[in-house]
Amino acid sequence: QQQVKQSPQSLIVQKGGISIINCAYENTAFDYFPWYQQFPGKGPALLIAIRPDVSEKKEGRFTISFNKSAKQFSLHIMDSQPGDSATYFCAASQRETSGSRLTFGEGTQLTVNP
Amino acid sequence: DGGITQSPKYLFRKEGQNVTLSCEQNLNHDAMYWYRQDPGQGLRLIYYSQIVNDFQKGDIAEGYSVSREKKESFPLTVTSAQKNPTAFYLCASSKIAGNYNEQFFGPGTRLTVL
Repeated sequence: QQQVKQSPQSLIVQKGGISIINCAYENTAFDYFPWYQQFPGKGPALLIAIRPDVSEKKEGRFTISFNKSAKQFSLHIMDSQPGDSATYFCAASQRETSGSRLTFGEGTQLTVNP
Repeated sequence: DGGITQSPKYLFRKEGQNVTLSCEQNLNHDAMYWYRQDPGQGLRLIYYSQIVNDFQKGDIAEGYSVSREKKESFPLTVTSAQKNPTAFYLCASSKIAGNYNEQFFGPGTRLTVL
């Protein structure tokens, strides 16, 4: 059961453009929504995260927009650079009696052309 | 330097053999996780542990086993019962306290079954 759906699967943008990756979730118990960046052959690294009590969070060129009623959130990368070329994963966290866990989207491979 | 180490980086196994992947962290994190990554499928949770001597099955635990005898260590054994073990395996850890599940990932182990 895929609880977090991510799109698009791949994305190509020109240097300086805006990259937008979208995620949708079903489980209203999710209470934390991080985005991870992964370079080939490396482990993912936390990029930016948001809680559902805010609608937007910005850190440098990276912005998360969150729509609680629509159960959707998105990552915007402004002024995209070739160094941003990587795979991006959205995720959602829920707390269970056995602890909290993350559910990941399928990933988006971003290519920024120079 | 604090972080998560995984070894080996590459591992080759013959069919029918069990192999153990190592994961060590010196971040003083209580929780540790194992994920499997296949192309186009994101990260899928195999097992996770919130405290020593306790662990929970994730979404794809069949064919895998873990132990948590020390806070710093969470080894994963891929058994011969795992039908398709070739994949990239990622270990992560996080604090338990607070509302966030900010997970930090190791560099991964790429397992290939020959």
